[in-house]
Amino acid sequence: KQEVTQIPAALSVPEGENLVLNCSFTDSAIYNLQWFRQDPGKGLTSLLLIQSSQREQTSGRLNASLDKSSGRSTLYIAASQPGDSATYLCAVEDGANNLFFGTGTRLTVIP
Amino acid sequence: ETGVTQTPRHLVMGMTNKKSLKCEQHLGHNAMYWYKQSAKKPLELMFVYNFKEQTENNSVPSRFSPECPNSSHLFLHLHTLQPEDSALYLCASSQGKVYQETQYFGPGTRLLVL
Repeated sequence: KQEVTQIPAALSVPEGENLVLNCSFTDSAIYNLQWFRQDPGKGLTSLLLIQSSQREQTSGRLNASLDKSSGRSTLYIAASQPGDSATYLCAVEDGANNLFFGTGTRLTVIP
Repeated sequence: ETGVTQTPRHLVMGMTNKKSLKCEQHLGHNAMYWYKQSAKKPLELMFVYNFKEQTENNSVPSRFSPECPNSSHLFLHLHTLQPEDSALYLCASSQGKVYQETQYFGPGTRLLVL
């Protein structure tokens, strides 16, 4: 069964720093990978979706990479802002249309 | 606002109660999902509907009963729940079938079973 791990579980950085969140998965036979953010009391917001044939996706200050062979993805956030504070989740879809989520990384950006 | 609404936002129920969670999407999507998020556990997919047809049921106990009367509405009927069912229940929708499309999530219903 696919297992998705996110490290660290929590991260605090000063405003303006660049940071990287990590996601690893045990089965490299994935269809795609998504990064979400979750704000307290709110639902999930999809940030980036990377198809298995792609290596990265970019949206504004966010860049997500995918290395299927090593079972890893990273979410790079440039010039972090207090508004980036949230829990970030990654999720992978396998070829059988099953979706597996990690436990998330709780990010705090300190003004 | 993502275009996906859920009601109620909070719900407290006893183990013998019957209640329903409602999800509505205003995005013209064809696929809708129910997820369960328990404390300190990964998000779990419960049910998937595509064009009103249920395409997935991830071994969810029968005390959870989904209903999708049309592409815009999704319900989760609850009966004889257990305290361990207390969690945040999230609804999502996407344009096409399953996960090839970006999913848009509602704010969730925080459920407490006493």
